[in-house]
Amino acid sequence: GAVVSQHPSRVICKSGTSVKIECRSLDFQATTMFWYRQFPKQSLMLMATSNEGSKATYEQGVEKDKFLINHASLTLSTLTVTSAHPEDSSFYICLVPLEGNYGYTFGSGTRLTVV
Amino acid sequence: GENVEQHPSTLSVQEGDSAVIKCTYSDSASNYFPWYKQELGKRPQLIIDIRSNVGEKKDQRIAVTLNKTAKHFSLHITETQPEDSAVYFCAAPLSGGYNKLIFGAGTRLAVHP
Repeated sequence: GAVVSQHPSRVICKSGTSVKIECRSLDFQATTMFWYRQFPKQSLMLMATSNEGSKATYEQGVEKDKFLINHASLTLSTLTVTSAHPEDSSFYICLVPLEGNYGYTFGSGTRLTVV
Repeated sequence: GENVEQHPSTLSVQEGDSAVIKCTYSDSASNYFPWYKQELGKRPQLIIDIRSNVGEKKDQRIAVTLNKTAKHFSLHITETQPEDSAVYFCAAPLSGGYNKLIFGAGTRLAVHP
């Protein structure tokens, strides 16, 4: 149980285009999901908290108009990187808290390369 | 702000030796402390976690200790093997709002045969 699916696993896009990343809880409901970004040889940095039924909460320094988050249902959150630039190239991963305070589960991650 | 500090950033040991990684946290209300292992190009994998109502937890060669008074917790790996080589991250949740996990900077462990 507690499986989180994330797609795509890898994506290459041209500078100026937008990319959508999906995070889906397969066998449980999640009112909250967290989105992280990880640059090479660095730690996981929290970007935003995705909330079902309300606006996402962004961490300081993260542009909400560039990283659009939509928590469409109790099992799906999407992160859209708009007008992507090479400096947005990174590993993006969602983290979902489990019900009943039983910990967290990571998605499989998405490696974004902007050329 | 609230953060998690992790040391050392790199650790090199001989196969069979023990490895210890330490983390401190600032949110005194944090009550859950996971450790993750991340291999190159993969997602972090939970290897052990501890809750604030216990001081130590062990799973075969891996153990975690927690000192709530000092607000620090440590990962102990005994009888290290080359396959233990990876980056290890500690984390702690912030108590205010959704319990978002804050990660330490990571420790790159190299186990030499």
